Amino acid sequence: EAAVTQSPRNKVTVTGGNVTLSCRQTNSHNYMYWYRQDTGHGLRLIHYSYGAGNLQIGDVPDGYKATRTTQEDFFLLLELASPSQTSLYFCASSDRGANERLFFGHGTKLSVL
Amino acid sequence: GQQVQQSPASLVLQEGENAELQCNFSTSLNSMQWFYQRPGGSLVSLFYNPSGTKQSGRLTSTTVIKERRSSLHISSSQTTDSGTYLCAMDWGNMGYKLTFGTGTSLLVDP
Repeated sequence: EAAVTQSPRNKVTVTGGNVTLSCRQTNSHNYMYWYRQDTGHGLRLIHYSYGAGNLQIGDVPDGYKATRTTQEDFFLLLELASPSQTSLYFCASSDRGANERLFFGHGTKLSVL
Repeated sequence: GQQVQQSPASLVLQEGENAELQCNFSTSLNSMQWFYQRPGGSLVSLFYNPSGTKQSGRLTSTTVIKERRSSLHISSSQTTDSGTYLCAMDWGNMGYKLTFGTGTSLLVDP
């Protein structure tokens, strides 16, 4: 099964702080995604990428930047974290986008105080 | 915008009972996927099922595109089936993005 590893698993920061969430997949998948999950909203897409150097905007991109440095690595950046960004963040990958199964990481729980 | 409605929102079963989870979508779609979310939070892919019926063990997924619905049937439920079940649809022409439902929370009592 495809392996998607996220780090850190838990993160606490203060309002205005900088946070970087990391994601690595080891199956040479083309597509990588960042989602956030909040009670009452389900999973919402923040950013996604279909290859190294590529970045596409998702449904809730405000306050987030992302960078795909290699085929394997996808980072989510919060440069001025706000309490509204307290959430559970998931990274996912697939080879052919939504036309194939998505594989998720274990999630990163972020708290912005 | 495109919407995915899941029902029921929550369900409690006695071990051994069957369950039918529903997912209805507002527009035509390219594909449908089902996921299981463990109580600890991680998501596991159950089915990629753009149309028709697929089975894996005690789980059966049926997608009927014309009726804009997909279902997940769990037979002979076990306590380890407890968790949240999410459906997600791909409605776009480029097939790159999934829109998720808010899930069905399932509790199977022993």
